[in-house]
Amino acid sequence: DQQVKQNSPSLSVQEGRISILNCDYTNSMFDYFLWYKKYPAEGPTFLISISSIKDKNEDGRFTVFLNKSAKHLSLHIVPSQPGDSAVYFCAASKWDYKLSFGAGTTVTVRA
Amino acid sequence: DARVTQTPRHKVTEMGQEVTMRCQPILGHNTVFWYRQTMMQGLELLAYFRNRAPLDDSGMPKDRFSAEMPDATLATLKIQPSEPRDSAVYFCASGLPTENTEAFFGQGTRLTVV
Repeated sequence: DQQVKQNSPSLSVQEGRISILNCDYTNSMFDYFLWYKKYPAEGPTFLISISSIKDKNEDGRFTVFLNKSAKHLSLHIVPSQPGDSAVYFCAASKWDYKLSFGAGTTVTVRA
Repeated sequence: DARVTQTPRHKVTEMGQEVTMRCQPILGHNTVFWYRQTMMQGLELLAYFRNRAPLDDSGMPKDRFSAEMPDATLATLKIQPSEPRDSAVYFCASGLPTENTEAFFGQGTRLTVV
């Protein structure tokens, strides 16, 4: 039972434009959300997170938005750069720190 | 430079053989995860431990998979007997569940069962 869903397997965006990645979850008990980035042949690396008491968190070019009522979060990358080409995973956890991940979205930034 | 270390990085084995994957978590982290990366499911949680005790291993096929933490510096994931459908990349991650902290991943073990 997939509790975290990333419905877009891939996204192609032009360099300099905005990338918007979406994630939906089904478990209303989730209270902490994370985005990870993964390059080929490497492990996922942490990118940005947000707790359920916030609706926005920003770190440089990366901003995560959380809409609890819709059980939806999104990651905005502005401006997109070629080095942002990677697979992005959305993850969520409850108080127990059991991290559930989505299937990932492959982002390709075109020059 | 603290990091999660996984060995081996690559493993090719014949169907029916036993496979053992090892993970050294970051020193001080008390939570260890095992994930399997598949195309359809993304990062699928197999098992996780806190203070070396298994909290949830419901994601593992119980008849062939086993996960243990013999001590705080070593986690193992064993498959016996291995099958071709077990071919995947297996990741170990560790973390410390204080407020607003992330888990850190190793580089993974790419397993191919022929």
